Amino acid sequence: GNSVTQMEGPVTLSEEAFLTINCTYTATGYPSLFWYVQYPGEGLQLLLKATKADDKGSNKGFEATYRKETTSFHLEKGSVQVSDSAVYFCALNTGGFKTIFGAGTRLFVKA
Amino acid sequence: SAVISQKPSRDICQRGTSLTIQCQVDSQVTMMFWYRQQPGQSLTLIATANQGSEATYESGFVIDKFPISRPNLTFSTLTVSNMSPEDSSIYLCSADSRDRGSTDTQYFGPGTRLTVL
Repeated sequence: GNSVTQMEGPVTLSEEAFLTINCTYTATGYPSLFWYVQYPGEGLQLLLKATKADDKGSNKGFEATYRKETTSFHLEKGSVQVSDSAVYFCALNTGGFKTIFGAGTRLFVKA
Repeated sequence: SAVISQKPSRDICQRGTSLTIQCQVDSQVTMMFWYRQQPGQSLTLIATANQGSEATYESGFVIDKFPISRPNLTFSTLTVSNMSPEDSSIYLCSADSRDRGSTDTQYFGPGTRLTVL
């Protein structure tokens, strides 16, 4: 079945460090891929998405590239800020009614 | 993007009681979803709610425990019945973007943080 695996957290970085959060997926067909972010005390917000192979999603300095050959969608940011501290969820949807979420990776950024 | 509101934002309830959570979307949507997020965990889909039909429940969730209403295209409620401390979670309402002709992005409400004593 469809599934999403992302790196376990927490990830702790200093401000201005480079961030990578790994995400791989298993899916039938050609899924759309997403990163959602959950700030403390809030619901999930869409951060970025990609709908086909080699697409790059980007938003707020975050990027992720849809790699079909490695079934991956790693999240990257060149210079994190304290305000990026949150939980990040990788997710996929194959065009049905369900979105499959990964377990979430908590990021702490220290000043 | 859709704007989704939930009420209440948080509640503390006694064991054996029931709580109804309301979810309001600022536009008409076909599909609405209810998720549970236990502390430090990912999201678990409880059920999918279509207007005019009974909700479709995921494995491990039953209508008697989590009755859902969907009276129109902008509103849904989830009731957590006969609560126990194990029901303490964040409950999230969601709608997808299908009605806007875009890809299948989901939009989430801010969540209802439930504590059962």
